[in-house]
Amino acid sequence: QVKLQQSGAELVKPGASVKLSCKTSGYTFSTSYMSWFKQIPGQSIEWIGMIYAGDGGTGYNQKFKGKATLTVDTSSSTAYMDLSSLTTEDSAVYFCARLTAYWGQGTLVTVSS
Amino acid sequence: DVVLTQTPVSLSVTLGDQASISCRSSQSLVYSDGNTYLKWYLQKPGQSPQLLIYEVSNRFSGVPDRFIGSGSGTDFTLKISRVEPEDLGVYYCFQATHDPFTFGSGTKLEIK
Repeated sequence: QVKLQQSGAELVKPGASVKLSCKTSGYTFSTSYMSWFKQIPGQSIEWIGMIYAGDGGTGYNQKFKGKATLTVDTSSSTAYMDLSSLTTEDSAVYFCARLTAYWGQGTLVTVSS
Repeated sequence: DVVLTQTPVSLSVTLGDQASISCRSSQSLVYSDGNTYLKWYLQKPGQSPQLLIYEVSNRFSGVPDRFIGSGSGTDFTLKISRVEPEDLGVYYCFQATHDPFTFGSGTKLEIK
């Protein structure tokens, strides 16, 4: 069955960057889209952007351009999201989701000095 | 950006009763291909969102037929008949017709 396993929680300092991973199995990675989402605990969910694993083509929510960079490694069926210049406002749970239907368990990112 | 307004904000339901959640969009969600990319999710406490309904009224794999999505254009509804204990959590509508994709603010379902 389809599985998305996300990397573990991160504690990072303001101004730093972090790279989150989403390792997949159970489907043909290279022919599918992966979306990423942000959820501050207790709040609703925001769509960050998506990437087509076949060619690495991306589409971003304008709000997250310059903040998030999506990439894939087809050899390991893994999607990545780089978050740069982190501030406390980036503290949240980040989810990956294949076709917005199959979701990872989420990665908690805490930005604190 | 498209704004999805969900009502009510919270809902307290007796087991076995019906629950109804509304999602109203600030723009029509009919895409140029004729499809309407409106989905419903349930996020149980401490879990990832799980897809219930896609394209307004299609149940995702494994979703019980107690969950019924309906609507068109800008007005959509999720009905849960015969509410069960495992239905508690926050329900979100989500649109993937217009860029950027957006979620509603959520409806919290509690069991009386």
